Amino acid sequence: EVQLVESGGALVRPGGSLRLSCAASGFTFSSTYMTWVRQAPGKGLEWVASIHTGGSTNYEDSVRGRFTVSRDDSENMLYLQMNSLRVDDTALYYCARGGAWPSALIDYWGQGTLVTVSS
Amino acid sequence: IQLTQSPSSLSASVGDRVTITCRASQGINTYLAWYQQKPGKAPKLLIFGASTLQRGVPSRFRGGGSGTDFILTISSLQPEDFATYFCLQLNSYPLAFGGGTKVDIK
Repeated sequence: EVQLVESGGALVRPGGSLRLSCAASGFTFSSTYMTWVRQAPGKGLEWVASIHTGGSTNYEDSVRGRFTVSRDDSENMLYLQMNSLRVDDTALYYCARGGAWPSALIDYWGQGTLVTVSS
Repeated sequence: IQLTQSPSSLSASVGDRVTITCRASQGINTYLAWYQQKPGKAPKLLIFGASTLQRGVPSRFRGGGSGTDFILTISSLQPEDFATYFCLQLNSYPLAFGGGTKVDIK
């Protein structure tokens, strides 16, 4: 059974940093693209970043240069390092399995971890 | 690539046929997925590749389209289908979601 379990969400001040983690199980993690998606309270879904097998990364414009996605294939872990956090980064952050073409599929999601940026 | 999803909300009754559309600002082949999200829950994949039903999803859900215009149809709305639906383009980065369609009870 595919499982994705996020952790690391917290209340943080503007300008602060946070590292989210996602523990993956039930599939061959090292062979799978992975993605972070966020959802601000009461809003729609927003793609944040993806990392492919081999480590190539892609970022949404508003987080590029502030966020870093990484993976540890030996531990089946996905990470999102978030620096220079802003109030508008407040959201529930989901870890999801998959990414864009050639994978072209995002099929499983974790339950999310809440990041609140507020003074 | 931007995705324009419509309508943003609709009211329907059990048994109704419901149609949601998603238009891409440029061609995305058939690299489009549909998701259902209920309050407090993670999105659930319904359709991928524009028209392929995810395992375990009831056959009343149907997807179609290619290029720029896509459609999600629920042939006979059931009580458990009241939720918000999103489309997602997976043709290229940046990935983009539609704005969502909230389906509620008439």
